[in-house]
Amino acid sequence: AQSVTQPDIHITVSEGASLELRCNYSYGATPYLFWYVQSPGQGLQLLLKYFSGDTLVQGIKGFEAEFKRSQSSFNLRKPSVHWSDAAEYFCAVGVPYSSASKIIFGSGTRLSIRP
Amino acid sequence: NAGVTQTPKFQVLKTGQSMTLQCAQDMNHNSMYWYRQDPGMGLRLIYYSASEGTTDKGEVPNGYNVSRLNKREFSLRLESAAPSQTSVYFCASNSGQGRGYGYTFGSGTRLTVV
Repeated sequence: AQSVTQPDIHITVSEGASLELRCNYSYGATPYLFWYVQSPGQGLQLLLKYFSGDTLVQGIKGFEAEFKRSQSSFNLRKPSVHWSDAAEYFCAVGVPYSSASKIIFGSGTRLSIRP
Repeated sequence: NAGVTQTPKFQVLKTGQSMTLQCAQDMNHNSMYWYRQDPGMGLRLIYYSASEGTTDKGEVPNGYNVSRLNKREFSLRLESAAPSQTSVYFCASNSGQGRGYGYTFGSGTRLTVV
């Protein structure tokens, strides 16, 4: 069965600094990969997704992620964070062609921004 | 606006009471899901419905029941609420097809059981 690991529970970065959030997945083939963001008290919003093709995926709000098959990773990056990026970030994996199209979520990484 | 609508947004129940969380989507998606979110545990799947007329258990189904009323609506019922069911509940839908694959989430229901 597929699984997702986000090894960092909480990360603090300074405003304007670069950001990388880690995500590792376990699956026998290439899954569908997602990053979602959740602001306090809000639902989840899709940042970006990878299905196939170019391994560097661009998303909304200036985020990007890189799929590395050899490392089973899908890390999220942003060159310069803004205070409004403070939120919880979830990596997720979906299984292509499964009947129920289920998506499995990691436990999340909370991002704090230092002024 | 197209999307997933959940009601209510907030609810406080006494232990042993029952309630139904409602979810509706207007995107003609086949699959619908109920998740609960607890601190440090991410989102855990309670039940899902791959298509109208079918429902299946997810990771944490105990204490819950679901109904896929039609293609649009998927409700979650707590028959006898327990404090352990205090959580934030999210409904989601998925087209499940091609590059449209991916969840659209509702805004959540914050449930407190006292």
